[in-house]
Amino acid sequence: DAGITQSPRHKVTETGTPVTLRCHQTENHRYMYWYRQDPGHGLRLIHYSYGVKDTDKGEVSDGYSVSRSKTEDFLLTLESATSSQTSVYFCAISEGQSKSRYTFGSGTRLTVV
Amino acid sequence: DQQVKQNSPSLSVQEGRISILNCDYTNSMFDYFLWYKKYPAEGPTFLISISSIKDKNEDGRFTVFLNKSAKHLSLHIVPSQPGDSAVYFCAASAPGGAQKLVFGQGTRLTINP
Repeated sequence: DAGITQSPRHKVTETGTPVTLRCHQTENHRYMYWYRQDPGHGLRLIHYSYGVKDTDKGEVSDGYSVSRSKTEDFLLTLESATSSQTSVYFCAISEGQSKSRYTFGSGTRLTVV
Repeated sequence: DQQVKQNSPSLSVQEGRISILNCDYTNSMFDYFLWYKKYPAEGPTFLISISSIKDKNEDGRFTVFLNKSAKHLSLHIVPSQPGDSAVYFCAASAPGGAQKLVFGQGTRLTINP
């Protein structure tokens, strides 16, 4: 399987605190994505990156920011966590070629109390 | 606006029988469709895909059918096995750019012995 790891796997944080989730890949893939999974909504795209320092918003980007300073790392930051951001967050990577498939990380379960 | 919809949150099938999971989409620009399988506490894993130029793709026990005129696709699993119990996500992408995937809400499949 592709080398993609997410950290931390679990986190509990308080409302209003900043939180950063990390996605690390060893595949040198160009594209990286952050999704959140919620009951009744499936997986929704938060932000994605198409290269170092190149990022763009997905459908549920409000309250989130991202950074990609190296090919292998894609960080998702919640500037001021809210209870509505309690979710399971998945990172994915893709070669970006036509008809390419994603490879997902194992997810981060974030609880905002 | 949910562009990809899986209207059945859950499905229960007897072992050995056929499982049929359904997915509808609204965006006529989608040209590539995928099914992902997800076990608890793991990331989704790719199962099977189909391009819009085809109406059927088969891989072992798994077959995906695409009806473009109805904007509908289905995943057939035959025969169903206990290890097939998981959440299945339908996903779609449009041409160009970052190959962003739009996911359905997911269907939880339970295979009963």
